Amino acid sequence: SQQGEEDPQALSIQEGENATMNCSYKTSINNLQWYRQNSGRGLVHLILIRSNEREKHSGRLRVTLDTSKKSSSLLITASRAADTASYFCAYNSAGNMLTFGGGTRLMVKP
Amino acid sequence: DAGVIQSPRHEVTEMGQEVTLRCKPISGHDYLFWYRQTMMRGLELLIYFNNNVPIDDSGMPEDRFSAKMPNASFSTLKIQPSEPRDSAVYFCASSLQGASWAYEQYFGPGTRLTVT
Repeated sequence: SQQGEEDPQALSIQEGENATMNCSYKTSINNLQWYRQNSGRGLVHLILIRSNEREKHSGRLRVTLDTSKKSSSLLITASRAADTASYFCAYNSAGNMLTFGGGTRLMVKP
Repeated sequence: DAGVIQSPRHEVTEMGQEVTLRCKPISGHDYLFWYRQTMMRGLELLIYFNNNVPIDDSGMPEDRFSAKMPNASFSTLKIQPSEPRDSAVYFCASSLQGASWAYEQYFGPGTRLTVT
């Protein structure tokens, strides 16, 4: 079920530029995760940020979490053509179910 | 580990036929999830299992859908009878729950189902 909202729905940038995707949710959460999906493939976990964390880095990825605003952002720095994919946020509020957002389709032009 | 394995990768069937999708989770994972992805509805959780026991099947759209997990290394999602609106990509995912509710899910490559 999609209870997370992501924006933009689609983003087109040039190689080397930064890409920022945003995610908003409606409930309190335990953690928030970002996943990537290449066309025709399954989702791949990128990074997880816990509810008591505000920022996390992994390589060229930077994730922020603002629980007061119920929002998160994913920043991909120095984008590459290979970063072209759909990116989904997913949050865990209770139990073991993840609620996924609608995704942002990122196109990085070489 | 080979990751989550799903079969078949593609299935084309006629309306009214029975369809069975298969999943082998990552060894040692105790949670298994079935999702459906469409352009219109995005990614939907259908059902999930913990230690082979169905925990929440509230996402299963109709009685035509059923899922089983007879053992820790195998699960099936069955649609009988299939309808054109069931056309979608079906994903299986597995995870290992940590003590702090912080966990990630590992997705299979999906089964693209087309019902004509």
